[in-house]
Amino acid sequence: SHELTQPPSVSVSPGQTARITCSGDALPKEYAYWYQQRPGQAPVLVIYEDTERPSGIPERFSGSTSGTRVTLTISGVQAEDEADYYCLSADSSGTSWVFGGGTKLTVL
Amino acid sequence: EVHLAESGGGLVQPGRSLRLSCSVSGFNFDEYAMSWVRQAPGKGLQWVGFIRSKKGYGGTVEYAASVKGRFTISRDDSKNIAYLQMNSLNTEDTAVYFCTRTLSGRYDHWGRGTLVTVSS
Repeated sequence: SHELTQPPSVSVSPGQTARITCSGDALPKEYAYWYQQRPGQAPVLVIYEDTERPSGIPERFSGSTSGTRVTLTISGVQAEDEADYYCLSADSSGTSWVFGGGTKLTVL
Repeated sequence: EVHLAESGGGLVQPGRSLRLSCSVSGFNFDEYAMSWVRQAPGKGLQWVGFIRSKKGYGGTVEYAASVKGRFTISRDDSKNIAYLQMNSLNTEDTAVYFCTRTLSGRYDHWGRGTLVTVSS
C-alpha cells in the first residue's frame, strides 16, 4: 500500500532552519504537496508540486526532492510557524492519495 | 472571494447514514475537482476521496480503501454543491470532515469542516 512517512516532531529555535522530511516509494514519480495546520484551523497549502510556493506563502517556505524523499524547509523560523505539517502524494496510478502522518513543529 | 462551507454533520448511531454537503462560491465550480478529507479527534489528516469535473473528466470518483463501498461522493453543478453520502457508519468514521477545491493534489481552498460523531 501507498504510505508516506514523516517524523512525528521537529523542534527549532526562532531564526533557525527547520527541515521536515517525507518519504515514500512513489515520490520519485509523483509530486508532493505540503500543508500547514494550526490548532483548530483548516489546513493551508504551503508547497505544491514538490517545490512551488503558492501566492501569499512567505519565501521562507521552500520544498525540495531527492529520490524517495521530499523535504519542506522553513528558513528563519518564526513563532507563527509552530503548527502541524503534512505531506500529500498520490500512488503510482495517480488515483489514490495519502497524507503522511504529520509532523509537529515546535518553536522553542 | 472563494468560499467553501460544509454542513450536515452531527451525532449518528453506528450503522446509520449521513449526508454531508459542501456549498461553494467565488469560482466556477464545474471546472474543478472537489475532495473530501477527514481528521479524527487528535489525529492526522486522512484522504477520503474526490470527484473530478464533469467537463472533460466525466465526473468520475476515487475513494480511499477505508471508505470504498460505504461512501459516495457526488456533485450538483447547477447548485454548486458537492456531497458526501456516508453509509454503514462506524465509530472509526468519527472525524471532522473537510471539503476542498482540488487541482490534482493542490487543495488550495478548504472549508472549516463539519464534525461527524458516530456513537450509540
